[in-house]
Amino acid sequence: QKEVEQNSGPLSVPEGAIASLNCTYSDRGSQSFFWYRQYSGKSPELIMSIYSNGDKEDGRFTAQLNKASQYVSLLIRDSQPSDSATYLCAVKLKVFGAGTILRVKS
Amino acid sequence: DTGVSQDPRHKITKRGQNVTFRCDPISEHNRLYWYRQTLGQGPEFLTYFQNEAQLEKSRLLSDRFSAERPKGSFSTLEIQRTEQGDSAMYLCASSLDEAGVDTGELFFGEGSRLTVL
Repeated sequence: QKEVEQNSGPLSVPEGAIASLNCTYSDRGSQSFFWYRQYSGKSPELIMSIYSNGDKEDGRFTAQLNKASQYVSLLIRDSQPSDSATYLCAVKLKVFGAGTILRVKS
Repeated sequence: DTGVSQDPRHKITKRGQNVTFRCDPISEHNRLYWYRQTLGQGPEFLTYFQNEAQLEKSRLLSDRFSAERPKGSFSTLEIQRTEQGDSAMYLCASSLDEAGVDTGELFFGEGSRLTVL
C-alpha cells in the first residue's frame, strides 16, 4: 500500500462546475496535510494546508480532512480553465501522492 | 529576493560520472528540502535541513547521494557514480519554521533536470 494514494485521473469537469479531488493516506499518526498544484513543466505551489478534522475554506478552494477515515479532499468551486493542472496531496511535507490531473473544459 | 534558485537547470552526463546541484533558498528560510520527481509521479522526499543540520534523510536514498548545507544558506546535492535510474528532476524547496511550527508552505525552485546516458 502506498503511503499517499490519489486517483491519477484525468478528472474532466466543465467550466463553472465543482471539481472534487481525493486522497487517502496510510499513516494514522499524520497530523499535517497539504494540497499543492503543479502546472505542466512547473514546480509545485501550495494551495491549502489542513491540520484538523473538518473543512477549511479559502476562496474557491475547500479542503476537507477526516482522520478517522484517513481521507483528505480538495473541492474547487466554479472551476476555471486556469485550474487545469496536477494536484498533489502531501502528508507531513515528506510524502507526496502521484497527483491527480484536472482538466477544466470551457 | 526572487525566490528559490537552482543550478544548473539541465545536466546531461554519462553513467558513472559525478554530478552536483546547487540550491539557493529564500534568504530568511531556515528549512531546505531536496526532492526527486519523475514523470507522472509526485515529488519524492530525499532529505531536509534545518539551518546547517541535516535532520532527516530518506531510507530509500542510496549512499551515492550526499547533501550539504555548510553555512545554513545554500545547499548542494551530489550524486556519485550516476546510473540511468537517477535521471529525474531534482527539486529544492525552502520554508520558514518559526518556533517549531512549520506551516508547510514550501517554495520550490524550478528544478535541475538530470539525464544520465
